[in-house]
Amino acid sequence: DVLMTQTPLSLPVSLGDQASISCRSSQSIVHSNGNTYLEWYLQKPGQSPKLLIYKVSNRFSGVPDRFSGSGSGTAFTLRISRVEAEDVGVYYCMQHLEYPLTFGAGTKLELK
Amino acid sequence: QVQLKESGPGLVAPSQSLSITCTVSGFSLTSYGVHWVRQPPGKGLEWLGVIWAGGSTNYNSALMSRLSISKDNSKSQVFLKMNSLQTDDTAMYYCARDPTGTRYFDVWGAGTTVTVSS
Repeated sequence: DVLMTQTPLSLPVSLGDQASISCRSSQSIVHSNGNTYLEWYLQKPGQSPKLLIYKVSNRFSGVPDRFSGSGSGTAFTLRISRVEAEDVGVYYCMQHLEYPLTFGAGTKLELK
Repeated sequence: QVQLKESGPGLVAPSQSLSITCTVSGFSLTSYGVHWVRQPPGKGLEWLGVIWAGGSTNYNSALMSRLSISKDNSKSQVFLKMNSLQTDDTAMYYCARDPTGTRYFDVWGAGTTVTVSS
């Protein structure tokens, strides 16, 4: 199985700060078609997860442009340029290349 | 409006089986895949399996011997069945839509809680 390792597991930030979450896969998640199937989801308290980013850096419909994704091969980063109160929750990366699909352990973003 | 809604028994006795239904609206199961994901209380997400638009399935190998996913396109329903439940199967169970060829989950249901207890 592809192991997804997220750091940090807890991220206290102040409103307006930049936040950065790292995700590493235990092996390359680049498909033979050249696409890298790495997604980011946000699970707000009491809600189901929602898609933020797909294929490393593509923002899903309606996602604010303060969210950005980057990376390649086995190392990926989610950045939030100016944290807002509504960004609080747990962020998960997920590899969608091979079965079983696997998630990172999650990074809990909270306000200081 | 695209929606997925899970429904299940709530409480299941140890060693018994679980059946959960995901009822979808706003789209056709003949055009989209549907995945199942679960989340134990206070823990992270675990992918269980998927049924594709054409009816083929893929399962998490760790659970494959206990898991079955099927669907009824005419009723817009996807079914998850799991055998021999234990206490560590206690979790919120979600279904999520996968637009064929995109490789992401664009819409999730609200989830249904399953507690395994005697």
